[in-house]
Amino acid sequence: RKEVEQDPGPFNVPEGATVAFNCTYSNSASQSFFWYRQDCRKEPKLLMSVYSSGNEDGRFTAQLNRASQYISLLIRDSKLSDSATYLCVVNGKADSWGKLQFGAGTQVVVTP
Amino acid sequence: NAGVTQTPKFRILKIGQSMTLQCTQDMNHNYMYWYRQDPGMGLKLIYYSVGAGITDKGEVPNGYNVSRSTTEDFPLRLELAAPSQTSVYFCASSGTSGGTDTQYFGPGTRLTVL
Repeated sequence: RKEVEQDPGPFNVPEGATVAFNCTYSNSASQSFFWYRQDCRKEPKLLMSVYSSGNEDGRFTAQLNRASQYISLLIRDSKLSDSATYLCVVNGKADSWGKLQFGAGTQVVVTP
Repeated sequence: NAGVTQTPKFRILKIGQSMTLQCTQDMNHNYMYWYRQDPGMGLKLIYYSVGAGITDKGEVPNGYNVSRSTTEDFPLRLELAAPSQTSVYFCASSGTSGGTDTQYFGPGTRLTVL
């Protein structure tokens, strides 16, 4: 079983619509959770960290469900520029260093 | 700040050749990492470093070597290239532990081994 699993998509979303997708992780001791964004043939960039109580950053909302071991990302009022692959990233170890585990990504395509 | 820079951007190697992928960061970060990304797969950690002179293996270190003689530079060496090393290689850095701090990535090196 992969340590971090994501639906690869693509999620085809009309401009202005809302899209949400999840990511599951296998290590119950994981402490840190992130969403990174990766544009086609570019490097990943941090979109947002995910906090236990859930958090928002503009049109983006992230949630963490420790009991079911998944995190989610919701994008409201989708823009064409939101088209990208969204990588779920989890701190795979409970030690202080914590090697990050990357999911393979969920592709989002926002259409006019 | 240039952030994290990588050279070359693209490279084609023949089986058995060797090369060094260069990575430099100008953010004075202690932590640096090398990842590879294969199509449809998540990034896999090859090697990492927690400071000058200190390196350690990640998840997929076989066929690679690293060194960290300065805070800024973290080159990745491929010895005896194999087709299985065809991938996109990303270097990253972070100011503190990568487990809790943002990792900043370079633009990547696309390597093909034929």
